[in-house]
Amino acid sequence: GENVEQHPSTLSVQEGDSAVIKCTYSDSASNYFPWYKQELGKGPQLIIDIRSNVGEKKDQRIAVTLNKTAKHFSLHITETQPEDSAVYFCAARKGAQKLVFGQGTRLTINP
Amino acid sequence: DAGVIQSPRHEVTEMGQEVTLRCKPISGHNSLFWYRQTMMRGLELLIYFNNNVPIDDSGMPEDRFSAKMPNASFSTLKIQPSEPRDSAVYFCASSRASGQDTQYFGPGTRLTVL
Repeated sequence: GENVEQHPSTLSVQEGDSAVIKCTYSDSASNYFPWYKQELGKGPQLIIDIRSNVGEKKDQRIAVTLNKTAKHFSLHITETQPEDSAVYFCAARKGAQKLVFGQGTRLTINP
Repeated sequence: DAGVIQSPRHEVTEMGQEVTLRCKPISGHNSLFWYRQTMMRGLELLIYFNNNVPIDDSGMPEDRFSAKMPNASFSTLKIQPSEPRDSAVYFCASSRASGQDTQYFGPGTRLTVL
């Protein structure tokens, strides 16, 4: 089955700098890759997603890139702000099969 | 829209007791998912329903766990008897289409089994 690896497990950046989180997946047939943000005491919330027919997607300060050949995708957050501090999860899915999540990255934005 | 609603938000119980977690999906969504989150294992899918029918329960850890979805607006996850290793945060999520649409998560139920 699908396996998703996420790195790094923790990331600390200065406010205003960029943050990058990377994920690799094992099943080349996976075609949907969402990113979730989880704040303390809350459920994961979708922040951006990308499908395999697109190489990059951007939404304001957040962007996701997908490299199907290398089977990896990345989350990029620019101009980070304190409210970006949270745990971020990547996931992968093939068709209508279940989402497989990465282990999460705890992002801390230092003022 | 109120989003996915879960109750209770926190549950503390003693080993051997029955625990029932409840979920109300977003209106109009026809897929419902139960997840468990722990530090050691991360987010794990336990079971998911499509149109109230269980589709994949391969993530249910053992027979002590059971889930039902009697109608489109309500689901339960039951643990009987509960054990300390069941302590975790349990999330319910829902989506519009049969596993192919965005999943929206509820706030979770933090379960502690003493």
